[in-house]
Amino acid sequence: AQTVTQSQPEMSVQEAETVTLSCTYDTSENNYYLFWYKQPPSRQMILVIRQEAYKQQNATENRFSVNFQKAAKSFSLKISDSQLGDTAMYFCAFMKHAGVADFNKFYFGSGTKLNVKP
Amino acid sequence: NAGVTQTPKFRVLKTGQSMTLLCAQDMNHEYMYWYRQDPGMGLRLIHYSVGEGTTAKGEVPDGYNVSRLKKQNFLLGLESAAPSQTSVYFCASSTPLPGKYNEQFFGPGTRLTVL
Repeated sequence: AQTVTQSQPEMSVQEAETVTLSCTYDTSENNYYLFWYKQPPSRQMILVIRQEAYKQQNATENRFSVNFQKAAKSFSLKISDSQLGDTAMYFCAFMKHAGVADFNKFYFGSGTKLNVKP
Repeated sequence: NAGVTQTPKFRVLKTGQSMTLLCAQDMNHEYMYWYRQDPGMGLRLIHYSVGEGTTAKGEVPDGYNVSRLKKQNFLLGLESAAPSQTSVYFCASSTPLPGKYNEQFFGPGTRLTVL
């Protein structure tokens, strides 16, 4: 079974600064996907960034980037130039690379609550 | 496109009451999912469906039933609500791309309280 661990229940950062959220996972799979989802107070789940395990290059999306360490099974999210709108719960998630008949199931971490302070 | 919608947004039940949560998607997605979110536990899969007329159990299916009579709708039922079912429920949908990543699109959630 796959497990996803987020060891930081809550973090704070000053506006305009950089913050890194940690995520580790455990799997015996070689091909899989990793994701960071953002859940603001509205509760809407918003995809922030995703990483394919077979890609060595770290994914980036504007101010969001990841540090993917496959051997260490680590997948951290870096938010640069933090904005007040980044205040949210952030979830790390794992999905194995499924075949035609397989079902794409998410495994979520327990989340990190990020507070961006003015 | 409305995307994924959920009805109702909030509900309070008494122990033993029944209710149905409705999820609707207008993206013609094949797959649909029901999750529950509890404090400190992330999202956990309750049931899912890979097509109209088919359903399957997820991680935490006990106490819930589902139906997918129409492709665009996925219903989650609680026959006899218990306080342990107090949670926020999310519906999601996706479309299968063989061997590739299928992005899941989430609804806004339903907050259910069972007294």
